[in-house]
Amino acid sequence: NAGVMQNPRHLVRRRGQEARLRCSPMKGHSHVYWYRQLPEEGLKFMVYLQKENIIDESGMPKERFSAEFPKEGPSILRIQQVVRGDSAAYFCASSPQTGLGDYGYTFGSGTRLTVV
Amino acid sequence: TQLLEQSPQFLSIQEGENLTVYCNSSSVFSSLQWYRQEPGEGPVLLVTVVTGGEVKKLKRLTFQFGDARKDSSLHITAAQPGDTGLYLCAGARTDKLIFGTGTRLQVFP
Repeated sequence: NAGVMQNPRHLVRRRGQEARLRCSPMKGHSHVYWYRQLPEEGLKFMVYLQKENIIDESGMPKERFSAEFPKEGPSILRIQQVVRGDSAAYFCASSPQTGLGDYGYTFGSGTRLTVV
Repeated sequence: TQLLEQSPQFLSIQEGENLTVYCNSSSVFSSLQWYRQEPGEGPVLLVTVVTGGEVKKLKRLTFQFGDARKDSSLHITAAQPGDTGLYLCAGARTDKLIFGTGTRLQVFP
């Protein structure tokens, strides 16, 4: 399976705990994007990363949220001290290069985070 | 501020009917894409339009990019229950995609 892999598919956390969401891009893709989707809404951009670099984090809350894409291993979206408002579907996408043009994104199946 | 507005927000139709979904913005995009998303899954790319006025066909789906590259439409001919899903337009803006508000389509047999 050469698609974008996200895990876990479902994650339940109590308020105040940490959530770690993982994303392995498609083979050969070095650009990773994280989006958040609330029920019945479109996708909201959070962060764009290349290997070992954060390129654009303008959509990510300044507090409690962080993202990384290390040289080896998957990209990680980390949410500390989760609150109920963090409950959402988090999607990761990858692309082979920047300047989207005709390429579009390949999305993973998402991680559905529920904060109880 | 929502840069891309889609209409209608919801659409329920009978199998065999035609429909058009609109994606409008006051901003210019370098390209515009349409995705379809099914429950519990990520969006899947349907098409990318790049040139103002461009029309692309994908079987029963016709996509058009406005001349000014600010808006787009998706027309489905003879809709089928398998077309049911959330349709999302997305405009390319520098290093990321800006998604529209979405149109949820339900096609009844």
